[in-house]
Amino acid sequence: DSGVTQTPKHLITATGQRVTLRCSPRSGDLSVYWYQQSLDQGLQFLIQYYNGEERAKGNILERFSAQQFPDLHSELNLSSLELGDSALYFCASSPLGGPAGELFFGEGSRLTVL
Amino acid sequence: KNQVEQSPQSLIILEGKNCTLQCNYTVSPFSNLRWYKQDTGRGPVSLTIMTFSENTKSNGRYTATLDADTKQSSLHITASQLSDSASYICVVSSENTGNQFYFGTGTSLTVIP
Repeated sequence: DSGVTQTPKHLITATGQRVTLRCSPRSGDLSVYWYQQSLDQGLQFLIQYYNGEERAKGNILERFSAQQFPDLHSELNLSSLELGDSALYFCASSPLGGPAGELFFGEGSRLTVL
Repeated sequence: KNQVEQSPQSLIILEGKNCTLQCNYTVSPFSNLRWYKQDTGRGPVSLTIMTFSENTKSNGRYTATLDADTKQSSLHITASQLSDSASYICVVSSENTGNQFYFGTGTSLTVIP
């Protein structure tokens, strides 16, 4: 158990809909990273937050947005969903904001768009 | 361009045998290199992390090596077990602004009895 909690574990929705994925980092970790993993693909970096502020942005679509709240949990919002958005979405937390910090991954949220 | 390439893409070995997975990278500036194990449908779990000055690091039956000059790393698994069946991901981190972690696409290892 990494200590990182992601909900929901599974989500099935239709094209055009909007969903919110939630991540609770390990106690004390200030950084939250979001990754997308499509079938048989590597993890694609979406966005990083550190202590409530956006720290880095990857290939995140404009239809996607995220935020980190004062209690350090984070939410990833996916809107106008398309079939190609079906993927595993992972959250990782780290005690540090930089590349030296260990990454602890949650178990992921599996999104299926029909 | 910052990239991490892993080989082979997939590998099947008999239980009890050893294997070695490869990782080549072009990430610069280099901060550290990690190997993760990802079981199907689960989150990646860290196996080792090595900085520039470390050549070898072991974690049980897993031994990682790093050659920072040639920008190559390997993960050696000794006396494989069925539970070693997973994807092994090489991740190189950088002091770049923006994205700091560069992920390989992984090597899918299947251990058969």
